[in-house]
Amino acid sequence: TQLLEQSPQFLSIQEGENLTVYCNSSSVFSSLQWYRQEPGEGPVLLVTVVTGGEVKKLKRLTFQFGDARKDSSLHITAAQPGDTGLYLCAGFLFGNEKLTFGTGTRLTIIP
Amino acid sequence: DAGITQSPRYKITETGRQVTLMCHQTWSHSYMFWYRQDLGHGLRLIYYSAAADITDKGEVPDGYVVSRSKTENFPLTLESATRSQTSVYFCASSARWVTSYEQYFGPGTRLTVT
Repeated sequence: TQLLEQSPQFLSIQEGENLTVYCNSSSVFSSLQWYRQEPGEGPVLLVTVVTGGEVKKLKRLTFQFGDARKDSSLHITAAQPGDTGLYLCAGFLFGNEKLTFGTGTRLTIIP
Repeated sequence: DAGITQSPRYKITETGRQVTLMCHQTWSHSYMFWYRQDLGHGLRLIYYSAAADITDKGEVPDGYVVSRSKTENFPLTLESATRSQTSVYFCASSARWVTSYEQYFGPGTRLTVT
């Protein structure tokens, strides 16, 4: 059973469109991170959210941590080909020091 | 060059052979991790280390052995490789292991067991 479920698993959209990726769990997390991974490389951290309801913005990317700390979303405005990649959410459960990764969303932006 | 490196980047081995994947970081980070990445499973923790000579099991440790005699190196050994160990392996490091700290990942080793 996967602790963190991401949806959709695959997403292909046109340049300029908006999109949202979801990361859901039935468990409560003390914090949650979003990583982006490009082919042939390791994941790179985009953001960490630590407070329920927290919203963080990174240029055209908006990250939100759910009020109950069980879910998160990543919204991209006006997607660009450079946004193409595998997006991974990862969280720390309360009382557990290990980072748990979601299944990933593979995003393709078509020029 | 500074950072975290892995070698080899690609490896093909036969079932039953021993193979060692190398990981080296130049930041003097205390914490180091080994993950495997498989379709449908995301990244799963194999082993981690809090400091030299301190290691502990992660989610999927069976069939793997680690050592950490020096802070900068954290090799992962498959004692007798099996086809189910075909995967992409990532090494990561972190200065601290608290819940908001970033893990820095290496470029990965793609291992195929035939």
